Amino acid sequence: GAVVSQHPSWVICKSGTSVKIECRSLDFQATTMFWYRQFPKQSLMLMATSNEGSKATYEQGVEKDKFLINHASLTLSTLTVTSAHPEDSSFYICSARDHAQGDTGELFFGEGSRLTVL
Amino acid sequence: GQNIDQPTEMTATEGAIVQINCTYQTSGFNGLFWYQQHAGEAPTFLSYNVLDGLEEKGRFSSFLSRSKGYSYLLLKELQMKDSASYLCAGLDSNYQLIWGAGTKLIIKP
Repeated sequence: GAVVSQHPSWVICKSGTSVKIECRSLDFQATTMFWYRQFPKQSLMLMATSNEGSKATYEQGVEKDKFLINHASLTLSTLTVTSAHPEDSSFYICSARDHAQGDTGELFFGEGSRLTVL
Repeated sequence: GQNIDQPTEMTATEGAIVQINCTYQTSGFNGLFWYQQHAGEAPTFLSYNVLDGLEEKGRFSSFLSRSKGYSYLLLKELQMKDSASYLCAGLDSNYQLIWGAGTKLIIKP
């Protein structure tokens, strides 16, 4: 099946610094990628929908100036957590759908990135 | 509003069968997904139903009733590795996934 690669898997940073997480579709083109956050024992929470070549669409309550999303190509989206604070510590997961399969195609997930802010 | 309901936790015995239920309310409906998620890992796709009925895939089967807003995931011949959370997600009219909180399945020997 299709592969989505997410990097880094683990990151520890100091409070106030910025962290960038990359999400790549390795063998398919993804015009749309999704960024989720998951706290322990909770379900996935959609943060934003990343659209290639245009601005991301953020869910209500998600600060777009804090969580910067860039989708510069059909295979790469990045999430930058700016001025990270301990409450931003979470499991961040990206997902993508093969553009060729349309809107009901299988959603492929990256491996996830566990962010710990000290 | 849109909502996905599924049990928080279930326990079953190795080798047995377990059914995980999911009821959904979405604005429009374009299908229902089931994903498996092991602790600390990303979800992996199990099934997609858009028509009524049962879809069988090896030890896992998924059922959908659109009139009842109901789906279930059936796991047969349970193995210890099946211990995981199972996420139900509905696809609404805007093709947005609405996620349930997940059902943690505990398999006992």
